[in-house]
Amino acid sequence: ILNVEQSPQSLHVQEGDSTNFTCSFPSSNFYALHWYRWETAKSPEALFVMTLNGDEKKKGRISATLNTKEGYSYLYIKGSQPEDSATYLCASARTSNFGNEKLTFGTGTRLTIIP
Amino acid sequence: NAGVTQTPKFRILKIGQSMTLQCAQDMNHNYMYWYRQDPGMGLKLIYYSVGAGITDKGEVPNGYNVSRSTTEDFPLRLELAAPSQTSVYFCASSYVGMGNQPQHFGDGTRLSIL
Repeated sequence: ILNVEQSPQSLHVQEGDSTNFTCSFPSSNFYALHWYRWETAKSPEALFVMTLNGDEKKKGRISATLNTKEGYSYLYIKGSQPEDSATYLCASARTSNFGNEKLTFGTGTRLTIIP
Repeated sequence: NAGVTQTPKFRILKIGQSMTLQCAQDMNHNYMYWYRQDPGMGLKLIYYSVGAGITDKGEVPNGYNVSRSTTEDFPLRLELAAPSQTSVYFCASSYVGMGNQPQHFGDGTRLSIL
């Protein structure tokens, strides 16, 4: 994988249900994996930055895992609420001769919670 | 806390006109970035800056110019607007330029070229 790919593209989930979605990224020269939450008409907001293989991070009902060797990360939302409706972006940073400050973004998973 | 402030929020330009999109941050971040967001595409990096006086091209720099005279400000200039530049533009900043630091985004500028 050369690009950052997210699946599914969109998702409708009943309020109260749990859900998860995937980010696939290049495993070579991996440096960091970011997750952002992007609500309509607002700016993307950082959820997690993960760097270590096997890392798990949690913020309230949202958690993420990271597998750097196979190049994927999962984002989990437990007990979905209407306020979780947003687009979730992931982005990867890779090491290079020119530094590792640049992120490559996926196209996002658009999550809609049905009340 | 203002964070990252972008102006204007919306703008319509005619083909061939020029304009500057403003971006300012009050977090004393060294690194600043300009992205564009097109439908169905991920955020694409246009230019970035690692500090005052230093800028570098991103993935899609053609048709744009930037400058960074202060830590706070990172304007993006379109010299000869073209329809292909119709997009939503986001400015972002981070404390240091390591990929393991989160980026802080402005609210975006929606630009239409007609």
